[in-house]
Amino acid sequence: KQEVTQIPAALSVPEGENLVLNCSFTDSAIYNLQWFRQDPGKGLTSLLLIQSSQREQTSGRLNASLDKSSGRSTLYIAASQPGDSATYLCAVRRPWQAQGGSEKLVFGKGTKLTVNP
Amino acid sequence: EADIYQTPRYLVIGTGKKITLECSQTMGHDKMYWYQQDPGMELHLIHYSYGVNSTEKGDLSSESTVSRIRTEHFPLTLESARPSHTSQYLCASSKFHRGPDTEAFFGQGTRLTVV
Repeated sequence: KQEVTQIPAALSVPEGENLVLNCSFTDSAIYNLQWFRQDPGKGLTSLLLIQSSQREQTSGRLNASLDKSSGRSTLYIAASQPGDSATYLCAVRRPWQAQGGSEKLVFGKGTKLTVNP
Repeated sequence: EADIYQTPRYLVIGTGKKITLECSQTMGHDKMYWYQQDPGMELHLIHYSYGVNSTEKGDLSSESTVSRIRTEHFPLTLESARPSHTSQYLCASSKFHRGPDTEAFFGQGTRLTVV
């Protein structure tokens, strides 16, 4: 059974700091990994998608890496801002044996980030 | 920005009432999903659809039902709401059925409270 773990569960940093969020998954047979941002009481915003054959993706101040063999991904946020405060979710897309030929997204519980002015 | 919309955003309703949560997307995506999320917990898949007239149950048992009569519309219905149904419900869609390019886009969610 695929499990996704995100560490730490919560993180509080001063504005301007560079930070790293971690995601680990137990089964390396994944198609891709997606990082999302979720603001309180709201839906998910897709930040970055890394295909299983890729090592990293970048978007602005965000950089996500993927090491499929070790079951790890990191999300690097440069020069953090108060507006970055949110919960960050990691999800892996993997084969879904119970529904032959289908796939499913498996989510972690997220890291709640607070950036203090 | 993803074009997927959920209504209502918040709903407080009494036990026993029938409710329908609406989800629409304007991206022409064939695949749509409903997830349930309790506070501080992971999202769990409760329903999905590959296209019109195709619906399947997810891996979290749910008393809700769904329909897919039009590509862009994927409503979720609870025939008789109970306090145990209190949760956040998130709708999502993706262009592809499978593979490394499959990217999921989410709506803003509906926070349901059954009293």
